[in-house]
Formats: sequence, C-alpha cells, structure tokens
Amino acid sequence: LAKTTQPISMDSYEGQEVNITCSHNNIATNDYITWYQQFPSQGPRFIIQGYKTKVTNEVASLFIPADRKSSTLSLPRVSLSDTAVYYCLVGGVNSGYALNFGKGTSLLVTP
Amino acid sequence: NAGVTQTPKFRILKIGQSMTLQCTQDMNHNYMYWYRQDPGMGLKLIYYSVGAGITDKGEVPNGYNVSRSTTEDFPLRLELAAPSQTSVYFCASVREVQETQYFGPGTRLLVL
Repeated sequence: LAKTTQPISMDSYEGQEVNITCSHNNIATNDYITWYQQFPSQGPRFIIQGYKTKVTNEVASLFIPADRKSSTLSLPRVSLSDTAVYYCLVGGVNSGYALNFGKGTSLLVTP
Repeated sequence: NAGVTQTPKFRILKIGQSMTLQCTQDMNHNYMYWYRQDPGMGLKLIYYSVGAGITDKGEVPNGYNVSRSTTEDFPLRLELAAPSQTSVYFCASVREVQETQYFGPGTRLLVL
C-alpha cells in the first residue's frame, strides 16, 4: 500500500482557499486517491476521490499531476465549519486490502 | 439503510476484563475494518476482513481478536483489557477496496 505524507497542520482565515498536498511516491498503477474529513468525536467521512487530472464536486477539488506521485485537495472559501482533520488515502485492488490512514492534516480556520 | 452501526457508544472496563465491540453494516459490503484512534492521533488499523470467514491483521492487532461469520457483522474482541487500549474504536465498511469507506459512529472505551 502506498505510504502517504501530509503536513501535520495548517491554519487559514475564513473565506480563503486552502490547498492540502499529499505525497504518495510509490502509488500503484490501479490505485485511487481518496480524501476524508474528520470532525472531533466522529468517524471520517468521504470528501472526494480521483485517479488522475482534476476532479471537482460540490465541496472540494482534487488535483492530481500526470506522475500521480502527489495530490492536492483544494477547499474553496473555507468557513469555520471546515476546521477538521483531513486524511489522504491511497489504495486499489492491486495494493492489498489493508486501508491504512496516515496522521492526517489538522486544519484550523479562524475568523 | 442504517449504514454502519456500532455498539456500545461508551464503555468503562477494569483492567483484565473482556468485552466485544459490535459492528454491523447493512450495505452488503465485502470489506470491513476496525480502527482505533487515540486522542489527537490518526487512525490505526487493527484488523480487517475481505469477506465472511476471512480476516487479517492490520498495524496494531495485539490484544484484539476478530471474527466474520456473516457479511453484515464484524465484532472486535478484547480479551484482557489494558489501559493502553483506552481509545475510540471505529468500524468501517466498503464495497470494493478502491471505493469510499463508510464509518460507524465509534465506540469510546476507557480502561481503568
């Protein structure tokens, strides 16, 4: 399973765009990149998933360069409620079935 | 669909006691996972299952046991509780390994 590296923490002000980058140098050909959000005392919840290039949904965008060795989660115009821990997870059918989370990135949004 | 349900929500154990954390999913997912999360830390994989009758160890399996007799249920057993097992335990399931994981609400365990 591809090992992931993310910044431990990030700070932002309300209304700004936040970009969180995840490194996954040994990503396998069939691996997907998935980002989860976790609030205190809750289980992680899915934000976005991608394989290559760019994916956008109603809450975030995911940018994946051609070599797929990293990915960037982009949160547009964050609000206080976006304060949470964000996890990058890489996995697929050929990388085994153990889905290991890293330490995640703790995002603090302030007024 | 209830999704992934976990019981109990909270439990206090004495050192040496045993208990079973229950996890049930109603989405007919093949893969199920148990994680623990210590305060201020990330999730660590304890055990996982790729289908009924098949389980495997994750990063931190010591002190725990699991079974998967049905697709729906994946209980986690603590035989001799230790203070180091004080944590929040999350169960998750996924239909295929590259798809989205669905998490339960968690079980908060305190071992004194």
